[in-house]
Amino acid sequence: DTAVSQTPKYLVTQMGNDKSIKCEQNLGHDTMYWYKQDSKKFLKIMFSYNNKELIINETVPNRFSPKSPDKAHLNLHINSLELGDSAVYFCASSQGWMAYNEQFFGPGTRLTVL
Amino acid sequence: GQQVMQIPQYQHVQEGEDFTTYCNSSTTLSNIQWYKQRPGGHPVFLIQLVKSGEVKKQKRLTFQFGEAKKNSSLHITATQTTDVGTYFCAGLGDMRFGAGTRLTVKP
Repeated sequence: DTAVSQTPKYLVTQMGNDKSIKCEQNLGHDTMYWYKQDSKKFLKIMFSYNNKELIINETVPNRFSPKSPDKAHLNLHINSLELGDSAVYFCASSQGWMAYNEQFFGPGTRLTVL
Repeated sequence: GQQVMQIPQYQHVQEGEDFTTYCNSSTTLSNIQWYKQRPGGHPVFLIQLVKSGEVKKQKRLTFQFGEAKKNSSLHITATQTTDVGTYFCAGLGDMRFGAGTRLTVKP
């Protein structure tokens, strides 16, 4: 019954590897997001998709590529992982634009790059 | 770009004391949202404020939106250990989150 789910919950990998994080929401929302939360708890939006179309693409290295196969899914692929990519990544969704609507966050994926 | 500043960064209180966190923007906000993140958890929506001078209450929590819509506050009366966590504000239009205020409560 989880509203927004992410897999995996933990991800430990070596520098230079490529990895993906998956996100699914069963709320019927049309907008999904990826956030990065660093060790200081600062929460920064990375991408936003509305009906499978990219809306927000913050200044994020192009090693990060989101993919939305359908409205219920927004995956994040990261190429050539770097130490600085270590963080917790949260997926979120909302019905309509986030600025006017409650966002529902997933449980997060803790990425550790060694 | 739009900056949302949140203070204090940390607050440690004795259980039963009050707590307030402030959110300030350099530009007028259309609305503001507040979220709570428990340790090890994910952000959970608390409330949204839209109108100038708006005040909303949720049990011991009181949320205010400034008259100029450039600042907001969250006040918790008589804190409990269940209030522990990081409180974030997020402002329109591109929903930049404040840095958060981490609250710890000593029983």
